[in-house]
Amino acid sequence: DIQMTQSPASLSASLEEIVTITCKASQGIDDYLSWYQQKPGKSPQLLIYDATSLADGVPSRFSGSRSGTQYSLKISRPQVDDSGIYYCLQSYSTPYTFGAGTKLELK
Amino acid sequence: EVQLVESGGGLVQPGRSLKLSCAASGFTFSNYYMAWVRQAPKKGLEWVATISTSGSRTYYPDSVKGRFTISRDNAKSSLYLQMNSLKSEDTATYYCARHGRPGQLDWFAYWGQGTLVTVSS
Repeated sequence: DIQMTQSPASLSASLEEIVTITCKASQGIDDYLSWYQQKPGKSPQLLIYDATSLADGVPSRFSGSRSGTQYSLKISRPQVDDSGIYYCLQSYSTPYTFGAGTKLELK
Repeated sequence: EVQLVESGGGLVQPGRSLKLSCAASGFTFSNYYMAWVRQAPKKGLEWVATISTSGSRTYYPDSVKGRFTISRDNAKSSLYLQMNSLKSEDTATYYCARHGRPGQLDWFAYWGQGTLVTVSS
């Protein structure tokens, strides 16, 4: 099984910062990587697919990138509404595996 | 507008069975792979099952293989999850999800609101 190591587990950021969340895959996943945002009591919502493609309706302050087997989600000048838990998912091979999640708090 | 509406959750005793349903609308259901993803209370996300467009191929992680069965009825635009031999660790909110591209095993583009399954005596 492919392991997805996500970091940090939590972070607190100001509205002026650039927030970066990373997921490192235990092997190559050929950009079959997506990112999701989940707010309390709600279902996850797709942000990024194919590592770098922005899902429909997602603000351009969200972006994805890759360096080797490490994938990153960047939020430029986050808004208060961006608070929540973020997950990565590899869909390169089954069993699909998610990262453990990153809890983002905006201050 | 894509809509996925789950139903069938509830309280069930260990060792018993439960069947979840998901009613889909707003897209051509038969063109997409469909999936179930679960989330234990205060925990992360876990993929549970995926089914191909025709239903001929199914995929499961080891944690549920042999106990859970995913199925679909394209005429009714409905997805199902039959869960047998339930364990306390199956307690979770179960989400119905649609894969991204037609006919592709890829990301989860849309999610339902979830249905809670509690396994307890």
